[in-house]
Amino acid sequence: DAKTTQPPSMDCAEGRAANLPCNHSTISGNEYVYWYRQIHSQGPQYIIHGLKNNETNEMASLIITEDRKSSTLILPHATLRDTAVYYCIVRAHSGGGADGLTFGKGTHLIIQP
Amino acid sequence: GAVVSQHPSWVICKSGTSVKIECRSLDFQATTMFWYRQFPKQSLMLMATSNEGSKATYEQGVEKDKFLINHASLTLSTLTVTSAHPEDSSFYICSARVSGGNQPQHFGDGTRLSIL
Repeated sequence: DAKTTQPPSMDCAEGRAANLPCNHSTISGNEYVYWYRQIHSQGPQYIIHGLKNNETNEMASLIITEDRKSSTLILPHATLRDTAVYYCIVRAHSGGGADGLTFGKGTHLIIQP
Repeated sequence: GAVVSQHPSWVICKSGTSVKIECRSLDFQATTMFWYRQFPKQSLMLMATSNEGSKATYEQGVEKDKFLINHASLTLSTLTVTSAHPEDSSFYICSARVSGGNQPQHFGDGTRLSIL
């Protein structure tokens, strides 16, 4: 799996958009970008994933650069409940299903009231 | 959809006890489930891959005789920590993936294991 680099922590004001960057400069053509978050003392929660096109769902938007070497997760209107550690993971689709995830240290996003 | 349930959520027991943790996919079938462990202030580490109807695959450094995994059905995997000791105290988390394509993994809420 390609290595990812994320800032260790970020602050964002409540109600503002939170933009979390991720660098994955060694990503391969068949690798997807996945984002998960982990609120304290809970299991990780899936947020969004994409291959090369920008993606949006009810939780967030994912912007992937044209060269796919970096991406940004956008939480459009951050709330206090969005305070969590956010993990950017690059993973190839594995038809056999044997694809446990490799978690880095992630970004600790703190939403300030 | 894609809900994973883990039980129990919290266990405290004496050293030497064996502890079983269940992981269920509630609304989908999962031929493969995964077990992770997370120590305080650290990230999740994959322990093993649980395969329905066959032996689990363990990551390097994880003792298969200590962490017994059984995946007897398409919706249930169990992790048994045998003869647990204080150093086994950790947050154990399972996940499952809907088969096919590039589906993401969905995680349970974790089991906090404390060995006295």
